[in-house]
Amino acid sequence: DTEVTQTPKHLVMGMTNKKSLKCEQHMGHRAMYWYKQKAKKPPELMFVYSYEKLSINESVPSRFSPECPNSSLLNLHLHALQPEDSALYLCASTNPRTGNTGELFFGEGSRLTVL
Amino acid sequence: KNQVEQSPQSLIILEGKNCTLQCNYTVSPFSNLRWYKQDTGRGPVSLTIMTFSENTKSNGRYTATLDADTKQSSLHITASQLSDSASYICVVTRERGSYIPTFGRGTSLIVHP
Repeated sequence: DTEVTQTPKHLVMGMTNKKSLKCEQHMGHRAMYWYKQKAKKPPELMFVYSYEKLSINESVPSRFSPECPNSSLLNLHLHALQPEDSALYLCASTNPRTGNTGELFFGEGSRLTVL
Repeated sequence: KNQVEQSPQSLIILEGKNCTLQCNYTVSPFSNLRWYKQDTGRGPVSLTIMTFSENTKSNGRYTATLDADTKQSSLHITASQLSDSASYICVVTRERGSYIPTFGRGTSLIVHP
């Protein structure tokens, strides 16, 4: 199984809503990432979890709250978002034991629209 | 500053033709370079990985080259197909530190019938 599964595929929410994006992988990868991608731009790193601990937060606003409940799951909790937060949110994972040559395996992404 | 620059920004070719995409980087110390293909609205998928000692690597109709001295890489696509229409992203990783790759802005390739 070389899949990273993200749900939901599409999400529309208002600025006062609370929602969550979910990501799951069963490859035994102990490093998981959240990226944000706007149209025609490369993915921008948001958060990195290494062995279930938050290791990198790229100065992301607190309205985005990541959570890694176990080694297979990664969540991104959303609250009080702004329309400019509309984007494709990508989850990725890698095996940290492969070092810096490891491949990032990406999910299909969750397309978020904030009204 | 660690950067990855890609050219051209976009490219339109006819089905069956060949094309070459370029990637220049300043990431140092260099560990490896990957080319990813990203279909519209989907997650990127790795095509090839190049490490310091490798000059050429092929994956079907895709051939990547690396010149570590000039810090340049290219991705050559042979006999293009309509399904090759996608964004191709060059991603470079440093030798030390956390595994945080640096993404290029991508080349948008459109293959017309």
